[in-house]
Amino acid sequence: AQSVTQPDIHITVSEGASLELRCNYSYGATPYLFWYVQSPGQGLQLLLKYFSGDTLVQGIKGFEAEFKRSQSSFNLRKPSVHWSDAAEYFCAVGPGGGADGLTFGKGTHLIIQP
Amino acid sequence: SAVISQKPSRDICQRGTSLTIQCQVDSQVTMMFWYRQQPGQSLTLIATANQGSEATYESGFVIDKFPISRPNLTFSTLTVSNMSPEDSSIYLCSVYPRESYNEQFFGPGTRLTVL
Repeated sequence: AQSVTQPDIHITVSEGASLELRCNYSYGATPYLFWYVQSPGQGLQLLLKYFSGDTLVQGIKGFEAEFKRSQSSFNLRKPSVHWSDAAEYFCAVGPGGGADGLTFGKGTHLIIQP
Repeated sequence: SAVISQKPSRDICQRGTSLTIQCQVDSQVTMMFWYRQQPGQSLTLIATANQGSEATYESGFVIDKFPISRPNLTFSTLTVSNMSPEDSSIYLCSVYPRESYNEQFFGPGTRLTVL
């Protein structure tokens, strides 16, 4: 069975500091991996995705993620966070192909300190 | 991409009643998905709705509790039946647009509170 683990429930980062959110997955085939952000009172917004090819993927809002097959990880990074980045971040995995839903991690709540 | 709207955006209901949530997409899609996000929790897939056939439910979810309709390629409804406080959640629908079938887009969600 597929699963996603986000080991950090809460992370606090100072504004301007770098950020890394961890995500580990368990999946039997080649995974399609995603990071979504959910701001308070907002819907889910896709930050970035990985299907194949270059293992370092760029997303919106200055985020990037690196796929490491040997570690079953897909960590999200940002070199300098802004107060507006405070939100809930979800890592998700799916089979691709448009016919199946996604399996989500429990999320990481990001707090930005001034 | 896809623009997805949901109605209602939020509701407060009494236990024992039912609520039907609507999901409208601005383009035709093959599959529509319904998720539940309980307070402070992650998203859990409830079911997959394919136009013209019965919805497929995930383990732990049953049709009697969460009946789904999919009358056409742009619309679906999810009913939460015989509600209890444990059904208080955000319910989201999602789709894969035909032009980017590996990217799932989500509606804004329906925030349900059951008293």
